[in-house]
Amino acid sequence: GENVEQHPSTLSVQEGDSAVIKCTYSDSASNYFPWYKQELGKRPQLIIDIRSNVGEKKDQRIAVTLNKTAKHFSLHITETQPEDSAVYFCAAPYTGFQKLVFGTGTRLLVSP
Amino acid sequence: DGGITQSPKYLFRKEGQNVTLSCEQNLNHDAMYWYRQDPGQGLRLIYYSQIVNDFQKGDIAEGYSVSREKKESFPLTVTSAQKNPTAFYLCASSIAGVYTGELFFGEGSRLTVL
Repeated sequence: GENVEQHPSTLSVQEGDSAVIKCTYSDSASNYFPWYKQELGKRPQLIIDIRSNVGEKKDQRIAVTLNKTAKHFSLHITETQPEDSAVYFCAAPYTGFQKLVFGTGTRLLVSP
Repeated sequence: DGGITQSPKYLFRKEGQNVTLSCEQNLNHDAMYWYRQDPGQGLRLIYYSQIVNDFQKGDIAEGYSVSREKKESFPLTVTSAQKNPTAFYLCASSIAGVYTGELFFGEGSRLTVL
């Protein structure tokens, strides 16, 4: 079916540690994988995305890796800061790329 | 100031009543979407529209209806047939389909059924 599995559902780290969130998708035709961050009481916003022609993409402290063979992709946050605390959603496109299916979200808590 | 606007931000409804949530965008985007957000369930797609006068059911369309008469507007009606309507509703838009890039979300509408 069209689903995206996301783990873990909650993640607590100390400031300065790294955080990793993993997602698995089911449609082998999917070739675009965005990550959204939703701070408490705010709208989700795109923080990084990756297309299937690359295996890794970095943007400062954030990186995303993609393994098309295994159909999973991961978000890596290094040197975490309290302002990284939020809910993170992964997503993948289905049905001819007309709709985006989201994972169930990971609540990241970074403690000072 | 370009963006996507949802209203109302909070809405209370009695059982058996229909309610319409407004979504307007001035980004000149072709595609618009409605998602429902419940705790622990992520964002689930209700309806989406790629072009004016056309829309498709998402994964949880039962009890909902939409219209797309204008490019900038995509209202969602929560009907009395929706068995558990209390939720946070997010509208989004994109240039032309999800593969082309970022979804821009509104600030959401929180519906509570009394």
